[in-house]
Parts: sequence; structure tokens; C-alpha cells
Amino acid sequence: AQKITQTQPGMFVQEKEAVTLDCTYDTSDPSYGLFWYKQPSSGEMIFLIYQGSYDQQNATEGRYSLNFQKARKSANLVISASQLGDSAMYFCAMREGMFSGGYNKLIFGAGTRLAVHP
Amino acid sequence: NAGVTQTPKFRVLKTGQSMTLLCAQDMNHEYMYWYRQDPGMGLRLIHYSVGEGTTAKGEVPDGYNVSRLKKQNFLLGLESAAPSQTSVYFCASRLNEKLFFGSGTQLSVL
Repeated sequence: AQKITQTQPGMFVQEKEAVTLDCTYDTSDPSYGLFWYKQPSSGEMIFLIYQGSYDQQNATEGRYSLNFQKARKSANLVISASQLGDSAMYFCAMREGMFSGGYNKLIFGAGTRLAVHP
Repeated sequence: NAGVTQTPKFRVLKTGQSMTLLCAQDMNHEYMYWYRQDPGMGLRLIHYSVGEGTTAKGEVPDGYNVSRLKKQNFLLGLESAAPSQTSVYFCASRLNEKLFFGSGTQLSVL
């Protein structure tokens, strides 16, 4: 079974509008972390936002917010006021368990390609 | 502040050749990682290090070796390259829950 599912291979959004990128996850571990990364066409991986399984509030980082619905096992990324520079591939990832000795196995989804139109 | 720097950015090898990828970070982070990215598979952990002089295997370590002689440097070696090692390689360092990635190395093995 897929651990991380991103059902939208591609998304389009008009500049200055908000967009939601979907991510669902599957784990039986009560401790886990959820991440979103951005990969522009230049190829680098850029950390956007992190949500811990025990965090009470949804994470926010500037224009990025993570809509964390634990019971539904979803961790959608919301980008407000889209900009042309937001056009990129977006990956949802999960780490099962707490950090243990530095091991950091992130399970990645297949990604969603976002295109922002002027 | 350069962050995480990987060299080289591109490399083409013939099957059986060896090479070393260099990762350098200037943030004084203890933890460093090597990942590979293949189409449709996200990133997979190859090896990692929790500090100077230490290394450990990740998810897909076969065919790779690593060394962390200095805290700021994490080297990934391929002793005998195989076509299956054609991939994009990312180095990262970690502070708390945040990974800082290098810009990646595109490696092709013919």
C-alpha cells in the first residue's frame, strides 16, 4: 500500500489565487512527521513546512499552511496568494517514528506539478 | 552563507569506473545525508552520518560508500559504477526537523 499518496499529478492556478495540494498518508505509528518540499525546475529541494503528529495546531510558514486532519490522515498544503515563482514540483513526505540516532528515512509521494498562470 | 554545496553538478561515467561526490556544509550541522532521486520514486536514503567520524546505512546503501572525516564534509563514493546508479543525488544536512539540501548531482552511468 502507498504510504504517501498525492492524487494530483498536475495543478493550475491563477496568480494571486490560493491553491490546495492534496496529500494523504498511511501509518500505524503514533509518532510521525509530515513535510512538504518544493522542487523548482532548477532541481534543488526546498523545505517548505513541517507538521508533527502531536502538534495541536496546523503549521504555517509565511504563505504556506498545512491543513492537518489527523483522523482523515491528510496533510494538504495550502499556498495563499500564488506567485509565478511558485511554479514547481511539490512533494509530500512522511517520517515514521521519532528521530532515532539521526536516521531520517523520508517516504515521499510522487509529487504534484503546480503551474501558476499570470 | 553558502549552505550545502555539492560537487560536481553533472557527471558521466562508464560502467565500472569510480568516482566521489563531495558535499560540504557551513552551518555546523551534526547530521548529514545522501539521497538519490529517481523518476516517480521520490528520494531514497543511501547513507547518513550523525557526526564527524560516524556513518550508517540507509535504505539503499549497496554499491555506495561514505566518509565523514571532517564535520563539514560528507563524501559519497561509487567504487564500480553501474547503470542502475544513474540518478540525481542529493546531499542534505539537518537541524531539528528541517533538512537543507544541496543543488544535486546528475550522474549518468553508461
